[in-house]
Amino acid sequence: GNSVTQMEGPVTLSEEAFLTINCTYTATGYPSLFWYVQYPGEGLQLLLKATKADDKGSNKGFEATYRKETTSFHLEKGSVQVSDSAVYFCALEAAGNKLTFGGGTRVLVKP
Amino acid sequence: EPEVTQTPSHQVTQMGQEVILRCVPISNHLYFYWYRQILGQKVEFLVSFYNNEISEKSEIFDDQFSVERPDGSNFTLKIRSTKLEDSAMYFCASSVRGDSPNQPQHFGDGTRLSIL
Repeated sequence: GNSVTQMEGPVTLSEEAFLTINCTYTATGYPSLFWYVQYPGEGLQLLLKATKADDKGSNKGFEATYRKETTSFHLEKGSVQVSDSAVYFCALEAAGNKLTFGGGTRVLVKP
Repeated sequence: EPEVTQTPSHQVTQMGQEVILRCVPISNHLYFYWYRQILGQKVEFLVSFYNNEISEKSEIFDDQFSVERPDGSNFTLKIRSTKLEDSAMYFCASSVRGDSPNQPQHFGDGTRLSIL
């Protein structure tokens, strides 16, 4: 079946540091890939997406590239802010319309 | 921006009791979903719903669970006889279409269900 694996947290960074969260997936067919973010006390918000190989999704300074050859969709941001502290979820959508999520990675950015 | 709203934000229920979690999807959306997240675990798909019937359900979604769209705006998840292991955060989501990643799912803030 489909699965998503992402690095465990928490990831603790200083402001303006570079952030990478690794995500790899297993899926049949050609899934679409997503990053969702959950800020404290809030629901899941779509951060970015990519629908086919080599697509790059980007939003709010975050980027992720759909790498079919390595079945990966790593999330990166060049300079994090305190307001980026949240839990980040990698997810895929394959055949059908349900999302399969990774376990989430908590990121804490300190001033 | 339109939002998916869920009520209540926290529900505490005695084991064996029935519970109904409520969701108001975004008004022009046609596909509706429930997911749950047990504390410390992954967000898991429960069920999808379109055109007044279940499109897909997971193995978690057994006979104790049911969904309903009782009117034009609400989408509910009912757990008939709650168990301790039903304690989780339950998320409702909706999307315009079910077959297009360019119309992604929008999530509510969740209902935390605690079974005592």
